[in-house]
Amino acid sequence: DQQVKQNSPSLSVQEGRISILNCDYTNSMFDYFLWYKKYPAEGPTFLISISSIKDKNEDGRFTVFLNKSAKHLSLHIVPSQPGDSAVYFCAAHTSSGGSNYKLTFGKGTLLTVNP
Amino acid sequence: DAGITQSPRHKVTETGTPVTLRCHQTENHRYMYWYRQDPGHGLRLIHYSYGVKDTDKGEVSDGYSVSRSKTEDFLLTLESATSSQTSVYFCASRGGLADNEQFFGPGTRLTVL
Repeated sequence: DQQVKQNSPSLSVQEGRISILNCDYTNSMFDYFLWYKKYPAEGPTFLISISSIKDKNEDGRFTVFLNKSAKHLSLHIVPSQPGDSAVYFCAAHTSSGGSNYKLTFGKGTLLTVNP
Repeated sequence: DAGITQSPRHKVTETGTPVTLRCHQTENHRYMYWYRQDPGHGLRLIHYSYGVKDTDKGEVSDGYSVSRSKTEDFLLTLESATSSQTSVYFCASRGGLADNEQFFGPGTRLTVL
């Protein structure tokens, strides 16, 4: 059963416009969420995160929004740049019990930013 | 950057042979992880370690074993490689329970013929 879902395998946007990547989760015990960015032939790199006690976290061009009641989070990139073209993974973590050690990842969304 | 390296970076092997992948980190991180990445599946956890000699299974552990004899090294062994284990393997590490972020290595591309 997939606990973290990224329902859009791909997204294409124009340079300068907003990119919105979505992520849904089913496990209500998740209390920390992360976004990773992955270029081909490289390992994933941490991008931005948010705790469940917040509904928004911003870092430069990147903002993550969390809607706990809908079990939904989104990553906004404004303005989008060609260098943002990569696969973006959503991941979630719970602080409770034996799952404290592990991240659960979505399948990823391939973002293409066209010049 | 957590200073995680993986070796080898690429390997081609034959079905039925044993294979060991190595992960080395220089950050004295307590937690280490092995994932595989496959098209349509994202990143799936194979095994993880929460200390020297302390390991546990992830969601896709069948056919894999791990060992951690030193803080800095985490080995993944495919006891008898199969074609279904052709994948890209990533190692990751994490400092402590208060650190939610995992840092990833560059990956090992394994092909089993």
